[in-house]
Amino acid sequence: DIVMTQSPDSLTVSLGERATISCKSSQNVFYSSNNKSYLTWYQQKPGQPPKLLIYWASTRESGVPDRFSGSGSGTDFTLTISTLQAEDVAVYYCQQYYSAPPTFGQGTRLEIK
Amino acid sequence: QVQLVQSGAEVKKPGASVKVSCKASGYTFTGYYMHWVRQAPGQGLEWMGWINPSSGATKYAQNFQGRVTMTRDMSISTAYMELSSLRSDDTAVFYCARDRSYSNSRLLFDFWGQGTLVTVSS
Repeated sequence: DIVMTQSPDSLTVSLGERATISCKSSQNVFYSSNNKSYLTWYQQKPGQPPKLLIYWASTRESGVPDRFSGSGSGTDFTLTISTLQAEDVAVYYCQQYYSAPPTFGQGTRLEIK
Repeated sequence: QVQLVQSGAEVKKPGASVKVSCKASGYTFTGYYMHWVRQAPGQGLEWMGWINPSSGATKYAQNFQGRVTMTRDMSISTAYMELSSLRSDDTAVFYCARDRSYSNSRLLFDFWGQGTLVTVSS
């Protein structure tokens, strides 16, 4: 199974500032045949199910604010929130869908300073 | 609009079984694989497996092989996940989640149910 490791485990950022979360996979999740990285990001607020934010490492899901962006390729990926809003307080998970079983990072808890 | 509505919370004794339902609406139920994901209290997400609602074919994660059964009832657009031989460490929220890809298992989840808390306690 592919192991996904996020850092940091928790992050405290001031309103309006940038938040950056890292995700590393134990194996390459990039398919050269279609030039895509099989990496997605979810946001989970307390008491709610996860919400799909970004897939193919950098494609925002419909309706997701453009302050959320994803980058990276191969084994190293980043989720960036450019200007933190109060409603962004949540746990963020990366997940690979390159191969079964799909596996998730342990999560990064984002809080407001 | 796509909705996945799950059954309510359950309390079970160790060794018992639980069956959780997930009723889909707002899309063609048979067109999209349905996955199940477990989340223990305060913990991360663990994929349990999928069912193809069209054919009934299933694929289970190794950790749950032999204990989980996924089924569906196409007439009421509902998927089910049954977990047997429950242990205290099965206490968790169980989610159904729709695969984003039409008629394929992309392993990418675009819509999630609200979750069902299953508590295993003697």
